[in-house]
Amino acid sequence: EVQLVESGGGLVKPGGSLRLSCAASGFTFSSYSMNWVRQAPGKGLEWVSSISSSSSYIYNADSVKGRFTISRDNAKNSLSLQMNSLRAEDTAVYYCARSRWAVAGLGDFNYWGQGTLVTVSS
Amino acid sequence: SYVLTQPPSVSVAPGQTARITCGGNNIGSKTVHWYQQKPGQAPVLVVYDDSDRPSGIPERFSGSNSGNTATLTIIRVEAGDEADYYCQVWDSGSDHWVFGGGTKLTVL
Repeated sequence: EVQLVESGGGLVKPGGSLRLSCAASGFTFSSYSMNWVRQAPGKGLEWVSSISSSSSYIYNADSVKGRFTISRDNAKNSLSLQMNSLRAEDTAVYYCARSRWAVAGLGDFNYWGQGTLVTVSS
Repeated sequence: SYVLTQPPSVSVAPGQTARITCGGNNIGSKTVHWYQQKPGQAPVLVVYDDSDRPSGIPERFSGSNSGNTATLTIIRVEAGDEADYYCQVWDSGSDHWVFGGGTKLTVL
């Protein structure tokens, strides 16, 4: 059974940093691209970042470019999102999602974690 | 940047057919995926590659995509289908994934 479990969310002050993790199990992690998607309270889904299976390709939303860094450790079946210079508008539930294929930008997100809440507030 | 436009809400009586649209410039040339999200839950894929259904998704769910509009159709709507629905495409021009704003399906 595919499982994606996010962790690392919490309360952080504006300008602060936070690192999210996603532990993957039940599939060959190194064969699939991975993604982060967020959802602000009461709002819709917003794509944040994607990384190909071998980390060769990384794509970021304009809203987080230069502030967030996606990475993965295929040996540890783990996906991460380093978030710096956090703003109030980054407050959201952050979901880890697996793509159907190895190539980022190809295929749907067929498995999702339950999400971790990040709150940016003073 | 590429924009996907969905109606904020769609209402339908049980047993009837719901059609949720997703508009975008020449979206028919792109591949569309659809997600269902119920309150407090993570999104669930219901249609991928315009019209394919993942295992476990009822045949009542179908998708189409042509011209400037993609459509998610749910026939014989049930109370359990009440949820938010989102369309998604990959915009190769910007190398960005794009989600529509979401449509709240209400079963009357």
